[in-house]
Amino acid sequence: SYVLTQPPSVSVAPGKTARITCGGDNIGTKSVHWYQQRPGQAPVVVSYYDSDRPSGIPERFSGSNSGNTATLTISSVEAGDEADYYCQVWDSSSDHYVFGTGTKVTVL
Amino acid sequence: EVQLVESGGGLVQPGGSLRLSCAASGLTFSKFAMTWVRQAPGKGLEWVSVISGDGHTTYYSDSVKGRFTISRDNSKNTLFLQMNSLRADDTAVYYCAKSRGNDPYYYPMDVWGQGTTVTVFS
Repeated sequence: SYVLTQPPSVSVAPGKTARITCGGDNIGTKSVHWYQQRPGQAPVVVSYYDSDRPSGIPERFSGSNSGNTATLTISSVEAGDEADYYCQVWDSSSDHYVFGTGTKVTVL
Repeated sequence: EVQLVESGGGLVQPGGSLRLSCAASGLTFSKFAMTWVRQAPGKGLEWVSVISGDGHTTYYSDSVKGRFTISRDNSKNTLFLQMNSLRADDTAVYYCAKSRGNDPYYYPMDVWGQGTTVTVFS
């Protein structure tokens, strides 16, 4: 089965840039979506189709995808960005959705 | 505004059954695939099942295949998840989510409900 690997945690100071990686075999050939989940809340999509941004999501959130790694970049990090982040793809070989292992972003 | 409201969660013994519902409003329900995603306490997101907008195509994760059944009633804008032979490791918050497209596949889940809690205990 297809596996997406994320770092368990990323720490960043306010105003700096956080980069969250999502590793998968040839993930660059797939369409990657990113979700933010604040404590006690439902997930919210913050980036989709690799690098598109849904309406209402700040421009500080940007996605990229190439080779074996997709990346969500959060620039000018704010306290409100502290949350868990998950990448997600559709694996056509198994007809399964796959979520990454999740990354907890801590704002110092 | 699109809204999804889950219901039907609760306490159940191992081997028991539950039927979850997800009531949708603010959208043409039949035009969108719908997904169930669960999250065990303190764990990450786990995809459970997806159904196409017309209800003809369904997929399941390996962990629930043969025990859970996804369905929808487009006349009532409602999504269901029938859960049988429940096990302790099915304990989780269950979210329903709307896809941006009619079929499963590469579309993101762009609207989520607040979730309903299922606890399987002996």
